[in-house]
Amino acid sequence: DAGITQSPRHKVTETGTPVTLRCHQTENHRYMYWYRQDPGHGLRLIHYSYGVKDTDKGEVSDGYSVSRSKTEDFLLTLESATSSQTSVYFCAISESPGTGVRFGYTFGSGTRLTVV
Amino acid sequence: GDSVTQMEGPVTLSEEAFLTINCTYTATGYPSLFWYVQYPGEGLQLLLKATKADDKGSNKGFEATYRKETTSFHLEKGSVQVSDSAVYFCALGTNAGKSTFGDGTTLTVKP
Repeated sequence: DAGITQSPRHKVTETGTPVTLRCHQTENHRYMYWYRQDPGHGLRLIHYSYGVKDTDKGEVSDGYSVSRSKTEDFLLTLESATSSQTSVYFCAISESPGTGVRFGYTFGSGTRLTVV
Repeated sequence: GDSVTQMEGPVTLSEEAFLTINCTYTATGYPSLFWYVQYPGEGLQLLLKATKADDKGSNKGFEATYRKETTSFHLEKGSVQVSDSAVYFCALGTNAGKSTFGDGTTLTVKP
């Protein structure tokens, strides 16, 4: 009954290669978010989207780009992966910013990315 | 800026012990407060929330009270089980549409 799925679940890639992570939702929520999770840093917002083709930067956006061509899909691209981008990446959704900050987000299961 | 400070882990308890994980926050305005739980290999799940001062959030035997005077939202459970072993995140959300997460506290419950 997962309303949000991420793919792939695990990926190992080489430094300098492009990588795209996918987040797919079936909830028809307008807002989608990409976070990275690192020891000692909790979750940090990379980018978010407030509608098709509408995106904005979060606190750690350098080295990342995103695209949203359909309501249900939000793609995160590492143009040229670096070892510092080794992390676990989570996608989250909410009906609105107000819903997310008042009632919480729904998170995907995460993608573990290793850059060697 | 907004921030959330959680009790450092890891925390190891025996089954049926009392649990407290401390969380304090700094925020402008009146944030909503959350506890999320992350089981191994899974994403974060909302455990409980409180949207205004003195509210108590509760779920699955866990509870936390929004204390504006001490800017705290400590998570408690009277009797933990092995199945409660997970990482717990405190978080806040503001009216500006921003969310801030703590670093997470790892709980291990031993039989």
